[in-house]
Parts: sequence; C-alpha cells; structure tokens
Amino acid sequence: AQSVTQLGSHVSVSEGALVLLRCNYSSSVPPYLFWYVQYPNQGLQLLLKYTTGATLVKGINGFEAEFKKSETSFHLTKPSAHMSDAAEYFCAVTPGNSGGYQKVTFGTGTKLQVIP
Amino acid sequence: GAGVSQSPSNKVTEKGKDVELRCDPISGHTALYWYRQRLGQGLEFLIYFQGNSAPDKSGLPSDRFSAERTGESVSTLTIQRTQQEDSAVYLCASSLSPSSGRAGEQFFGPGTRLTVL
Repeated sequence: AQSVTQLGSHVSVSEGALVLLRCNYSSSVPPYLFWYVQYPNQGLQLLLKYTTGATLVKGINGFEAEFKKSETSFHLTKPSAHMSDAAEYFCAVTPGNSGGYQKVTFGTGTKLQVIP
Repeated sequence: GAGVSQSPSNKVTEKGKDVELRCDPISGHTALYWYRQRLGQGLEFLIYFQGNSAPDKSGLPSDRFSAERTGESVSTLTIQRTQQEDSAVYLCASSLSPSSGRAGEQFFGPGTRLTVL
C-alpha cells in the first residue's frame, strides 16, 4: 500500500522568497517519488523524480527535492520564487522495483501563489 | 514522437446520456492511467492498465464507469447515464514499462473537459 500527504493545500510566498512544498509518503517497499506541476489551464508535467542513487534531485526551473528515508519525506524547494512559478504542484509515489505493478498515487496538490 | 492525445477536448452532454472518451498513449508505453480532476481539486485515480495484465479498476467510482484498452494502444473511458457530479476534466497518462526503469514517470494528455447539464 502507498499514500502521499501534501501539507498545505495553498501556499503563498513573496517573489524572491524561498519556496518549500511539503510531501510525506508511505510505502511498503522502497519508493520512486515524483513532483508534477500543473500550470493554469494546462496539463501536468514532470518536474523531477527520485528513483535510486543521489537523494537530492534537481528538476526544471530551479526546483529540487530531497529524499529523506528516515523522515519519509520528499519536500520540494526553490531558493527564489518567480511569478511564473504560480501553479499547482502534485507529489506522487510508486513502488520501485515492484516487478510489473506500478500504480502511481498522487497527493491532493498544493497551489502555490507568488506575491509580487 | 507525438505525446498523449485525448478526444474530444470538450464534451457537453445531457444528464442520463452515455459518453465515451478516448486516449491515445505514446507509442511503446505499456502503462495507461485514467484520472478525474474536479474543478479546483486534485487527481482522482480511476483505472490503471499495465500491458496484458488485468487492469486495476479500484478507482472507478461506480458501475456506470468502465474502460477498455486495445492491447497497448488506444483506451476508451465510458460513462453511462451521466450525472452532473460527473462533470470534471478526465486526464489520461501513459508511461513506459517497469523494466525500463522509468515507470511511474507519466506523460499526461491535455484532458477532456466533460460538462453534464
């Protein structure tokens, strides 16, 4: 079984401030973890992913996330927010190395507002 | 190659009518997912196809919902006797097989916006 919890359905930051979007997961096997972004009136696109190896992963547009097994977390960060970062962000988990079954479970999403 | 395509992009129907939504995944992607996204809400998992395995239908909200997939290509989601609560954007996504090491990395279509009057 797997699940994802995103703390905070809405987050507001000032332009230039640190962005921190929280994601905690549960998985009975080592997970693969993802962040997706959905810009207004657009489809979802992959922002970054963790499968194995380095626990700090970098994605597009200056975002990065760190896999912390001990905390079962995969928080998304960006040092300096831009107006163009306003979007909805979804964290997702799938069982890694599951031998063929890889249903992806999404969190409920966090809407990021960037204030000028 | 082309991305995931969905048709129609918009569908307006009357309550009680049946609708059929289509998804064309990326060629070579063995996994296909359907999600529902109600206005202002997150993704609701509906069904997952993986190769020739039996689909995971655990997310279908009622027996009015069904989905089929032809081999590893086109999928159709059918909603019978539509209700106003079915109004939402229906998203399709596909991904490579688990053996690729990139499973779970989903490519989404633009969605079908369904409005039930």
